[in-house]
Amino acid sequence: SQQGEEDPQALSIQEGENATMNCSYKTSINNLQWYRQNSGRGLVHLILIRSNEREKHSGRLRVTLDTSKKSSSLLITASRAADTASYFCATPGSNDYKLSFGAGTTVTVRA
Amino acid sequence: NAGVTQTPKFQVLKTGQSMTLQCAQDMNHEYMSWYRQDPGMGLRLIHYSVGAGITDQGEVPNGYNVSRSTTEDFPLRLLSAAPSQTSVYFCASSYTGTRFYEQYFGPGTRLTVT
Repeated sequence: SQQGEEDPQALSIQEGENATMNCSYKTSINNLQWYRQNSGRGLVHLILIRSNEREKHSGRLRVTLDTSKKSSSLLITASRAADTASYFCATPGSNDYKLSFGAGTTVTVRA
Repeated sequence: NAGVTQTPKFQVLKTGQSMTLQCAQDMNHEYMSWYRQDPGMGLRLIHYSVGAGITDQGEVPNGYNVSRSTTEDFPLRLLSAAPSQTSVYFCASSYTGTRFYEQYFGPGTRLTVT
């Protein structure tokens, strides 16, 4: 069964706006990752946040982690057309090597 | 570096046929894995390996076999294809231990079983 679930399923925003998506998970974790998938391509790693971190930044990406609520958020600031993609969170399963991915949030950035 | 390569890109099989999806990486990664991606389901782990000679099952291993004879290659075998195995298959690789977390994905193989 999937550990993480993203919300919303789909998001449409204007170029320049911010995009926020959330990931909720079921069991305690020691880290959480976010990936991007452009249409018809493989996934690309964006950022990892560990359980002892509350917030992490990478360029226009900001990730938060709230272990008490078992949730994480990914914020993309000043979105661009190239940010159009699906975004997935990934968490460890029964061991660290068994990654579990959510169903993803599809983001469309309109010009 | 070529990164993670997968062949073929597309494949159509008839029910009951067998085939092998190929995956190779040139980054000297110990960890390799196979996922399938179905609409609305995200990626589900089929099998993974933490080194040559070591494999383990993921979430959905039934109907699939793997072996890891070299660090570079991790083929996925479908012994008797079924329509339920129609999916997009992704191979991924990574270092193990404290460098495990960034997964490098291949471009995928789109498989249709009729």
